[in-house]
Amino acid sequence: GAVVSQHPSWVICKSGTSVKIECRSLDFQATTMFWYRQFPKQSLMLMATSNEGSKATYEQGVEKDKFLINHASLTLSTLTVTSAHPEDSSFYICSARDLRTSGNNEQFFGPGTRLTVL
Amino acid sequence: RKEVEQDPGPFNVPEGATVAFNCTYSNSASQSFFWYRQDCRKEPKLLMSVYSSGNEDGRFTAQLNRASQYISLLIRDSKLSDSATYLCVVNGGGFQKLVFGTGTRLLVSP
Repeated sequence: GAVVSQHPSWVICKSGTSVKIECRSLDFQATTMFWYRQFPKQSLMLMATSNEGSKATYEQGVEKDKFLINHASLTLSTLTVTSAHPEDSSFYICSARDLRTSGNNEQFFGPGTRLTVL
Repeated sequence: RKEVEQDPGPFNVPEGATVAFNCTYSNSASQSFFWYRQDCRKEPKLLMSVYSSGNEDGRFTAQLNRASQYISLLIRDSKLSDSATYLCVVNGGGFQKLVFGTGTRLLVSP
């Protein structure tokens, strides 16, 4: 099946620093990648939809200047959490749609990145 | 009202039991439906898509009722390894977007 990787798998940083998370589709091309956030005991919440070569579409309430998304190629999207604060501590998960099977809306998920901001 | 609603559980069942989870969704325009499984501190993994006619995959059976906007998942002969959180997922608000329920936690005991 389609494989999506994320790096790093976990990160601890000081308040005020920026953190970059990478999401890669390893064996397929993905024109669309999605970024989610999951707080403890809550569901995955979509943050933004990232389309290759164009600006990301952010969900209501998600600050685009704080969560910078770049989708420069068909296999890589990055999420940068700028000036991170403790309330940004969460599990960040990306997903990607395979061009070949995009008709069924299935998304393949990366293993997630656990961010802890001190 | 949440777009996708699930009973959070937990459902505590013994091995071998049959257990059913339900889910309701609010967007009548939704076209794709899934059940995902999520283990603690891991990413969600697709368990099965849900088709209008209902579908089965081994011990797992999914049903969709479009009129009632209701999806179900039945697990027969529960195994210890079935212990996880089961997420009801629906596409909504546009062709690509998936909306996740909060999940139903299942604990299967020996």
